[in-house]
Amino acid sequence: NAGVTQTPKFQVLKTGQSMTLQCAQDMNHNSMYWYRQDPGMGLRLIYYSASEGTTDKGEVPNGYNVSRLNKREFSLRLESAAPSQTSVYFCASTPGVWGTDTQYFGPGTRLTVL
Amino acid sequence: GESVGLHLPTLSVQEGDNSIINCAYSNSASDYFIWYKQESGKGPQFIIDIRSNMDKRQGQRVTVLLNKTVKHLSLQIAATQPGDSAVYFCAENKGSNYKLTFGKGTLLTVNP
Repeated sequence: NAGVTQTPKFQVLKTGQSMTLQCAQDMNHNSMYWYRQDPGMGLRLIYYSASEGTTDKGEVPNGYNVSRLNKREFSLRLESAAPSQTSVYFCASTPGVWGTDTQYFGPGTRLTVL
Repeated sequence: GESVGLHLPTLSVQEGDNSIINCAYSNSASDYFIWYKQESGKGPQFIIDIRSNMDKRQGQRVTVLLNKTVKHLSLQIAATQPGDSAVYFCAENKGSNYKLTFGKGTLLTVNP
């Protein structure tokens, strides 16, 4: 099993450009998550998907959209990138739909917006 | 403010010593806690978890202690090795949903 994979690993954008971050998991997990990690701060939840076909906002959803394409894939889209979106983005998944499950993280995408 | 925080941002220990990383939380409704390890350039990796009906849980070289009275969580690493050098995060889950709240992290440096 590859676990949770993310593409691309690095990306540089200009302000106003758009892009989609891809995430896939091969563990047959129900729930998937997108986080951002900024220096000196803990991981902050952007969006999550409890199950295929559902998505919900997390703590910092502004400027982002998501798509749960199928059970395996959960993408994060920046429609008009801003320098404040410079961050490291992590995708994660959990087996269950509810409650207390271990989250498995991908390796991250390092995004710089100029 | 953040409901999960860490007492020390950095911790430096000698190889072979035991390490203790602390974490405070403020939400008494939290019933599940996790410790993650994050090495430079990588995603967080699960270390150990504990539910609120437990005070202690042990893994391989790691022990998590939960003190609900003072809302304190600690991670103990026995015989710390250079490979343990990383940032350690605690996180809490309030049980009724599947969202985690993460602390800022403690950087553990192991000196040979």
